[in-house]
Amino acid sequence: QVTLTESGPARVKPTQTLTLTCNVSGFLVTTSGMCVGWIRQPPGKALEWLALIDWDDDKYYSSSLKTRLTISKDTSKNQVVLTMTNVDPVDTATYYCARAFVSGTGAFDIWGQGTMVAVSS
Amino acid sequence: DIQMTQSPSSLSASVGDRVTITCRASQDISNFLAWYQQKPGKVPKLLIYAASTLQPEVPSRFSGSGSGTDFTLTISSLQPEDVATYYCQKYNSAPRPFGQGTKVEIK
Repeated sequence: QVTLTESGPARVKPTQTLTLTCNVSGFLVTTSGMCVGWIRQPPGKALEWLALIDWDDDKYYSSSLKTRLTISKDTSKNQVVLTMTNVDPVDTATYYCARAFVSGTGAFDIWGQGTMVAVSS
Repeated sequence: DIQMTQSPSSLSASVGDRVTITCRASQDISNFLAWYQQKPGKVPKLLIYAASTLQPEVPSRFSGSGSGTDFTLTISSLQPEDVATYYCQKYNSAPRPFGQGTKVEIK
């Protein structure tokens, strides 16, 4: 069974760096065609695509946030990590990780439950 | 970057009505278009990929069409359990933006 589970701090202060982890089970993040992405959703607002990393370690970022984001993989733990620097209250959101399989649907077919992050002092 | 624009932003319809949501890409994305359903308080769920292919177990009242820049999600007979916000997303290449969402309610 494929599952993705996000973890991270529930609260961070403005200007700090946020680190989120996506624990993956049921597939290897190094399997050809597998991609893991991060998406966020501020309270009451729309989904926003943030970043994606593929099986070959190619990385892609939202144009508006790319200077603040870093996505990486820890293959020994089968995890994907997203860091966001210099957070602001507008970064308060539920953060999701999700899988896309290029040889499958290509879209985000499996989502984690999300982790809520509040940015406040 | 390619922008995804949905319309309407919200709609209210009666049970049994036919509901249509449109999504427009600012550039040609072929058929690399997905639709997601997000029920209140829930995780988004992939409904349709490749513009018109239903995920397994998605009711047949849902359908998708379009290619290039213009796409449509149709619910042929709206049911109470379809109350949700629907999002389109392009996925042919990164960035992979979502549309702003369409909130569907029962009248």
